[in-house]
Amino acid sequence: DAGVTQSPTHLIKTRGQHVTLRCSPISGHKSVSWYQQVLGQGPQFIFQYYEKEERGRGNFPDRFSARQFPNYSSELNVNALLLGDSALYLCASSLIAGEQYFGPGTRLTVT
Amino acid sequence: RKEVEQDPGPFNVPEGATVAFNCTYSNSASQSFFWYRQDCRKEPKLLMSVYSSGNEDGRFTAQLNRASQYISLLIRDSKLSDSATYLCVVNSDAGNMLTFGGGTRLMVKP
Repeated sequence: DAGVTQSPTHLIKTRGQHVTLRCSPISGHKSVSWYQQVLGQGPQFIFQYYEKEERGRGNFPDRFSARQFPNYSSELNVNALLLGDSALYLCASSLIAGEQYFGPGTRLTVT
Repeated sequence: RKEVEQDPGPFNVPEGATVAFNCTYSNSASQSFFWYRQDCRKEPKLLMSVYSSGNEDGRFTAQLNRASQYISLLIRDSKLSDSATYLCVVNSDAGNMLTFGGGTRLMVKP
């Protein structure tokens, strides 16, 4: 079975632009969570979606938004990019609760 | 105070050594606990869940002390391939929001 997949793997954007990151969960998993990991720190929770509804939101500005599709895949959107948004963006797949399994991440660089 | 705190290390140990990592968490309502392993520039991978009674998986043993809000990971007979960052993770809410510690870096040397 395929694990969690994310695209793209790397992305370079300039300040002020927007970005869309994509994630496909493990087959049978209905929950997707997004995390941001800045170099040298642990991942920080951004969003959780289950059955297309937002179930949790971390302490991130409104520039960050997400959605989940009927096939349980998900998109994370970030508007008006700042230099500080440069990070590894991780998607995690799970059943409604319990152990989460991470995709390889999208490495975003904002210049 | 951070919600999940870990000693960042690095812990430099020789092959075959036993090494222990500790972690404290601040939310007494926390429900689930995990150790993840993360290699350089890779995604975190689930190493093991941590149960109240303690649990073991091969060379790895995890312990949870709810009264002290303390989690530990013991690695016996360290291998070169154990070199990584170990992340202590807590699920504090009824949903599935994971709170990560900053990670402890382990370097196993020949």
